[in-house]
Amino acid sequence: GAGVSQTPSNKVTEKGKYVELRCDPISGHTALYWYRQSLGQGPEFLIYFQGTGAADDSGLPNDRFFAVRPEGSVSTLKIQRTERGDSAVYLCASSLEGQGFTEAFFGQGTRLTVV
Amino acid sequence: GQQVMQIPQYQHVQEGEDFTTYCNSSTTLSNIQWYKQRPGGHPVFLIQLVKSGEVKKQKRLTFQFGEAKKNSSLHITATQTTDVGTYFCAASRGSGNTGKLIFGQGTTLQVKP
Repeated sequence: GAGVSQTPSNKVTEKGKYVELRCDPISGHTALYWYRQSLGQGPEFLIYFQGTGAADDSGLPNDRFFAVRPEGSVSTLKIQRTERGDSAVYLCASSLEGQGFTEAFFGQGTRLTVV
Repeated sequence: GQQVMQIPQYQHVQEGEDFTTYCNSSTTLSNIQWYKQRPGGHPVFLIQLVKSGEVKKQKRLTFQFGEAKKNSSLHITATQTTDVGTYFCAASRGSGNTGKLIFGQGTTLQVKP
């Protein structure tokens, strides 16, 4: 596609429910990143994929958060037992490669609201 | 852990005035990137600086990387209403040069016409 695509654009869920957020990176980009942005803050790193494998998941806040990228393209961020504090905009970004980084392209984000 | 501090948090200027935002780190950075986020939008890459003392220009925007690679600045000359948004600096986590970034808190620029 022309850019990084994220779906849904908005998601409202009840506390305790499970949610999945999808990211479709730019075709050919091997590196994919998930970030979380709270109101008035800069994006916060969650996880980085190089191909199919999670090269660095040190930013995931706890074991309720999990992400996969089974075929090295589309990625899904999964959140179990959602809490109100999980409410934020979840941003996905991709770049041509992980090392020798020059530019990350961000999607429009998924605004998650936990009520 | 590695942190990137950015000031000021907000800046209101009259159209035509200059604007500067500053980014500081307590540790030496391998590189620094700058992003712009319009209200309701997503971060858009502006530039990356890698070398000590590097200065790059994009039209009315001037980016600098400090000699010690611990600070950076973005200066906009003669602001326009199209410059409105939040400007973030970001540094690669760890020693590598990847898109795993630590972002500053951002400086939100408002321009009065």
